[in-house]
Parts: sequence; structure tokens; C-alpha cells
Amino acid sequence: GESVGLHLPTLSVQEGDNSIINCAYSNSASDYFIWYKQESGKGPQFIIDIRSNMDKRQGQRVTVLLNKTVKHLSLQIAATQPGDSAVYFCAENRATGFQKLVFGTGTRLLVSP
Amino acid sequence: DGGITQSPKYLFRKEGQNVTLSCEQNLNHDAMYWYRQDPGQGLRLIYYSQIVNDFQKGDIAEGYSVSREKKESFPLTVTSAQKNPTAFYLCASCGGKGQPQHFGDGTRLSIL
Repeated sequence: GESVGLHLPTLSVQEGDNSIINCAYSNSASDYFIWYKQESGKGPQFIIDIRSNMDKRQGQRVTVLLNKTVKHLSLQIAATQPGDSAVYFCAENRATGFQKLVFGTGTRLLVSP
Repeated sequence: DGGITQSPKYLFRKEGQNVTLSCEQNLNHDAMYWYRQDPGQGLRLIYYSQIVNDFQKGDIAEGYSVSREKKESFPLTVTSAQKNPTAFYLCASCGGKGQPQHFGDGTRLSIL
């Protein structure tokens, strides 16, 4: 079936390390991708997005890379902090005239001091 | 502050009871969405609305109903036909196709 999946369910890093969270998507027609951060008991929080006509986009301490050839998306977090500990979801938009996102199952990032 | 407000934060349902979850946004977004999240899983789409007075079923609409009488409001009713309603429910809104969805902080529904 169609899905957006993640390679690693849990990623443990030390404070100050760089973190990389990966995501594989299945629909080559998807044109928009988003990364969300979800803390326990809260709703997903937008981190960064990227359109299919780009292969890299940078924000504050975060970078998203898109490889359309292998249908792979990654989120890089520089100098990871304990406050970055959360579940991270990728999502892809497949609808042509309207936004309808398909979400991955998420990766839990654990940052140790 | 602009945002999405969901209420209540916690809700309990008795057998055979319908319950309604509230979602209000002041972002002036046309599109609104309801998702269900189960432990260790991603978000699954229940219903969505592109514009006032219009809504469509998502992937898991059975046992749920919605209305969209006002742009800022998109309430979700969990009916007694939904046999496994225990979950975390999330509402989102979006300003357009190339823009991210913004989420509320969810309602956790449990069965008494």
C-alpha cells in the first residue's frame, strides 16, 4: 500500500551531536514534504518544509534534504539539544488540487545531556 | 495569538454515547482536518473540509461525523458506531496547498 515510512524508530544521540532522521516515501508524484516535531501530549509542530523542485532547504539548526531519485527525505538537526527530544514525523502531499498529507509512523529522538 | 484550539483536552465516553470534540481556528484558513493518532502510529485522516459547508471522508471516517457551518469551526462527533474510539484526536488547518498544516494540541478520548 501507499505509505511514508521511516528507517529508524528510535535515535539516541548525545547533546551537541548532529542528528539525522530519515524518511522513505513511496509516491513519486508527491510535490510537497513537511517535517513535524511532536512532544508528548501535544500536537505536531511544524519544523520545515520543502517542495519537489528543490533538493535542500535550511532553517535554524535544521536542514531538509530531498532525493527524488530514490524517494528519500532526511532531516538534519545541528548541535542537538535536550529540548530536541521528541517524535519526528515526515509527511508528503499527494493530492493534485488540494493538500492531503500522508504521514510516516515517526522516529523518536532521544538526546542525552 | 493566531492558532488552533481544541477542547476538551481529555474526554471520557460511556458505552452508546456520542461525544463531540471542538476545534476552532483564528488563522483564517479555508481547509481543516481531523486526524486520529494511536500509540506508536502516525496520523490517520478521518475527515477534511476544503471550505465552509463542504467536507469529505478521509481514510477512516466510519463511526465519525463532522460539520463545517463556520470557517473557523470544524467539530468532530465520535458516534456510538465507532467501536474503538480510544485515541488522541488532532485537528489541523491549512492556508493552501503549498503551505504546512498547523495543529492543535489534541483531545485524548477514553472509554469509561
